Amino acid sequence: DIQMTQSPSSLSASVGDRVTITCRASQDIRNGLGWYQQKPGTAPKRLIYAASSLQSGVPSRFSGSGSGTEFTLTISSLQPEDFATYYCLQYKSFPYPFGQGTKLEIK
Amino acid sequence: EVQLVESGGGLVQPGGSLRLSCAASGFSLSDHYMDWVRQAPGKGLEWVAQIKNKRNSYTTEYAASVKGRFNISRDDSKNLLYLEMNSLTTEDTAVYYCADCGSHPSGIWGQGALVTVSS
Repeated sequence: DIQMTQSPSSLSASVGDRVTITCRASQDIRNGLGWYQQKPGTAPKRLIYAASSLQSGVPSRFSGSGSGTEFTLTISSLQPEDFATYYCLQYKSFPYPFGQGTKLEIK
Repeated sequence: EVQLVESGGGLVQPGGSLRLSCAASGFSLSDHYMDWVRQAPGKGLEWVAQIKNKRNSYTTEYAASVKGRFNISRDDSKNLLYLEMNSLTTEDTAVYYCADCGSHPSGIWGQGALVTVSS
């Protein structure tokens, strides 16, 4: 099974900061990766699919990059509504593992 | 409005069964591969199962934690997705989401249904 290692597990940042979250796959997954944002008590919302494609309606300050085994989610300028938990998901092969999550908190 | 709405959650005793439904509206499920994902209280996300579309023979896949106990199915004529859950344990307590987790640009998720397994 493919394992996904997401880092960091938590992150403190300020409004306006640039932040990067990383997911590493234990095997080559090409571009079979999505990034999700989840706020407390709500369903996850996909931000990025196919590693770098921006989901329709998602602000352009979110971007994804990488292929193979190393992937990053970047938020170019944090906004107050961006404080949430972020997950990566590998969908190249079964079973689909999520990353462990990154809780982004206000500094 | 394009949406998925889960139903059928609730309280069930250990060893019991429950069937979740997921109704699609505003779009046709038929072309989509559909998944169930769950989230135990205070925990991260766990992919549970997938069913492919008719073109791909409705092939199913399951997480090891539910294989042999859960069954995913769909009725494209009714725009419905199902998850039949048997031999439930307290470890299955979670919010269950239906979703399209793959490469389809929709990336749509439902709002979730709470399943509580407790005596």
